[in-house]
Amino acid sequence: DGGITQSPKYLFRKEGQNVTLSCEQNLNHDAMYWYRQDPGQGLRLIYYSQIVNDFQKGDIAEGYSVSREKKESFPLTVTSAQKNPTAFYLCASSTGSGYEQFFGPGTRLTVL
Amino acid sequence: AQSVAQPEDQVNVAEGNPLTVKCTYSVSGNPYLFWYVQYPNRGLQFLLKYITGDNLVKGSYGFEAEFNKSQTSFHLKKPSALVSDSALYFCAVRAPIYNQGGKLIFGQGTELSVKP
Repeated sequence: DGGITQSPKYLFRKEGQNVTLSCEQNLNHDAMYWYRQDPGQGLRLIYYSQIVNDFQKGDIAEGYSVSREKKESFPLTVTSAQKNPTAFYLCASSTGSGYEQFFGPGTRLTVL
Repeated sequence: AQSVAQPEDQVNVAEGNPLTVKCTYSVSGNPYLFWYVQYPNRGLQFLLKYITGDNLVKGSYGFEAEFNKSQTSFHLKKPSALVSDSALYFCAVRAPIYNQGGKLIFGQGTELSVKP
């Protein structure tokens, strides 16, 4: 997990609330990614950013938003529009698109 | 369309025996292939990658993988399994750069269980 931190480790949210998951990296990586992991479904790409102040939607972006104001930081907001937000969220970074990605420890979000 | 298949949800191996975790892929162009391992409630750890060159790739913790272009496979192997190898293993392939910046496409994962 070294070099990438995610907080909090566990997060509980009431329905209708927006929550923001933090992701910080000190690896000087240009590219950052957010994935969602559900049991038996592998990892699905939510958003990615190849450079500061730029980001693109992944396969399941609906109900999520991101920002990339600093190279080190790529926070993910899970909005109330996300129908089924309970999942394990993983942030990753890489030196560039297509190179191996390094993952943070994850945030487990539970909607009550 | 790019895809990765891990045909076995679970693999059971006795400690000391060799292990194989299977992966097949479908991608346009030359494949960039990766293996990751995940321990419970943790992030993914990079094990090894194939970009080009020797078909047998050596990685972390004694793991290796064999790239087979004709069979479009990239199976993960280890000569002698340890109980501590028990974890969830993911194979991934890089999509072409024009497809979401060359994102990684992951298989569903294979749960490896090594019994003493």
